Formats: sequence, structure tokens, C-alpha cells
Amino acid sequence: TQLLEQSPQFLSIQEGENLTVYCNSSSVFSSLQWYRQEPGEGPVLLVTVVTGGEVKKLKRLTFQFGDARKDSSLHITAAQPGDTGLYLCAGGKDTGRRALTFGSGTRLQVQP
Amino acid sequence: GAVVSQHPSRVICKSGTSVKIECRSLDFQATTMFWYRQFPKQSLMLMATSNEGSKATYEQGVEKDKFLINHASLTLSTLTVTSAHPEDSSFYICSARGQGALIEAFFGQGTRLTVV
Repeated sequence: TQLLEQSPQFLSIQEGENLTVYCNSSSVFSSLQWYRQEPGEGPVLLVTVVTGGEVKKLKRLTFQFGDARKDSSLHITAAQPGDTGLYLCAGGKDTGRRALTFGSGTRLQVQP
Repeated sequence: GAVVSQHPSRVICKSGTSVKIECRSLDFQATTMFWYRQFPKQSLMLMATSNEGSKATYEQGVEKDKFLINHASLTLSTLTVTSAHPEDSSFYICSARGQGALIEAFFGQGTRLTVV
């Protein structure tokens, strides 16, 4: 059973379009991270959100943590080919020794 | 962000041999390290959690005698795939979390293992 469901699983869009990726769970997380992974490489941390309702912006990327800390979204404005990759959300239950729970992943392809 | 270095990035080995993968935290002390396996076009699958100075905790279905994990120091964990078979071919990734306020997990570059 996947504790964190991401949607869509795959998204192919044209350069300049906007998109939103969703990460949903029935569990409450103390923190939520978003990563981007390119083929043959490890995931790279994009952002961490810890407060319900928190919104963080990273250039053209906007991340939101749900009020109940069970869900999150990633919105990309004016997507570029360099945004292509696998986007993973990951929930943390504490600050210590437990592994993050990873979402199923969203594969984004931005066509020039 | 913090830096985690994983080595080697690619390795090809013969069936029946063992392969060791190293994971180092370069600028922080990693009390806990995690080993993942990733199949093509899929998300990360947790294999085991390794705490410095103690035995690793393996996820259900992961053979501890096949995937040996050692976390001998606060900056180094190793994963040894013993008696490798072609079905062990995969992308292996480590990550590390530090103490206290460092809630994020930082990932190594991954190791592509091919068993022939």
C-alpha cells in the first residue's frame, strides 16, 4: 500500500505551460519534502515544508503543504525543458531515525 | 544543502561475486543512513535503515544476509551485495539524515549495479 499517492503519474507538456503535481495521504506528516531526480542520479532536495498551510516559492516553483499536513502540491509556472525529471514527494514522521515515506513519483516531460 | 557522496556510480560484476557500495556524509554527521533500491521509472523502495554503531533494520522481504549493511562511523555506511545475481541488477541509492533539526534527507548520486 502506497502511503503517499502522487498524481498525475506522467505528464508531457509544452514549454511555457503551467502544471500542478499533487501528493496525497491519509496520514499526517511532520514534514514534507519535494525532490527532483534525473536519470542515473540521486534525488535532489527542492524544498521542505513543515507547517500546515505553508507556501514556499522557489523561482517558478510553488509548494504548498495542506492545512492538515496530509497533502501537498507543487505548481510550476511557465515550464521549461530543464524542468524535465521525476518529481518525488516524501513525508517525514519525526526529526530522527525513521526513513521518509516516498510518493509514487510524477514523471514530467517538457517539450521545447 | 548537505552533501552525501556515493561510490562507485557504476559497477559491473560477474554472477556470484560480491560488490561493496560506500555512502559518505561529507559535511555533517549522519546518525542514520538509509539504503534504497529503485527500478526503472519507479519510485524509491526502502531496503534498510542503518544507525551508527548498531545493526541495520531491514524492510520486509529484504534478505539481510544478501545485503550486508555496515555503519561503522557517523560519516560512512556501506552496502555489500553478496553472491550477486542478475536479478540484483538495479539502481541503489543511499541517503543520510543528521541529528536534531536536520529533518531533511540528502541523497547520494546512486550506484548502477549490473550483474552479468
